[in-house]
Amino acid sequence: GAVVSQHPSWVICKSGTSVKIECRSLDFQATTMFWYRQFPKQSLMLMATSNEGSKATYEQGVEKDKFLINHASLTLSTLTVTSAHPEDSSFYICSARDRNYGYTFGSGTRLTVV
Amino acid sequence: DAKTTQPPSMDCAEGRAANLPCNHSTISGNEYVYWYRQIHSQGPQYIIHGLKNNETNEMASLIITEDRKSSTLILPHATLRDTAVYYCIVRFGSGGSNYKLTFGKGTLLTVNP
Repeated sequence: GAVVSQHPSWVICKSGTSVKIECRSLDFQATTMFWYRQFPKQSLMLMATSNEGSKATYEQGVEKDKFLINHASLTLSTLTVTSAHPEDSSFYICSARDRNYGYTFGSGTRLTVV
Repeated sequence: DAKTTQPPSMDCAEGRAANLPCNHSTISGNEYVYWYRQIHSQGPQYIIHGLKNNETNEMASLIITEDRKSSTLILPHATLRDTAVYYCIVRFGSGGSNYKLTFGKGTLLTVNP
């Protein structure tokens, strides 16, 4: 089946630094990928829709300058959390639509900002 | 996309069938019902989806009422590894790469030994 690889699985960074998270579709091309954020004991919240070769579409309330999304190829989308602060600590999950129009999710990235 | 209502939690004995309900009374004719689950600290996993007819795969069965206002996900023989949050999601169509999945709060299913 379709596989989405997300890296790193966890990261700890200092406040004020930037962190990049990668999301790759391993066996299919994904023109669209989605980025979610999940706080403890809460549901997944969609942050943005990433389209290959064009600008991402951000959900209301998500700062586009803080969460930079790049989808430069059909198999790779990246999310960069810029100038991270402790309140950005969360579980970040990417998703891609596969060739059967299902949604395949990455395994998530646990970000801790100290 | 239509909103869904699920019980916040359910318990099930290991080896028994787990029946997870979902209410989607405002569903429209071309909206599909999707089920995903999320085991703790992992990404969501696809289970099954359907439009009108009941569906079955190796993981589960999906029963959709005739008026399509509710559905039930059935795990026929629950195991401890089925303990997870189960999300029922309704969204338009199966085509269109920009169609996003919006998650509600889901049901925490706890399978007990």
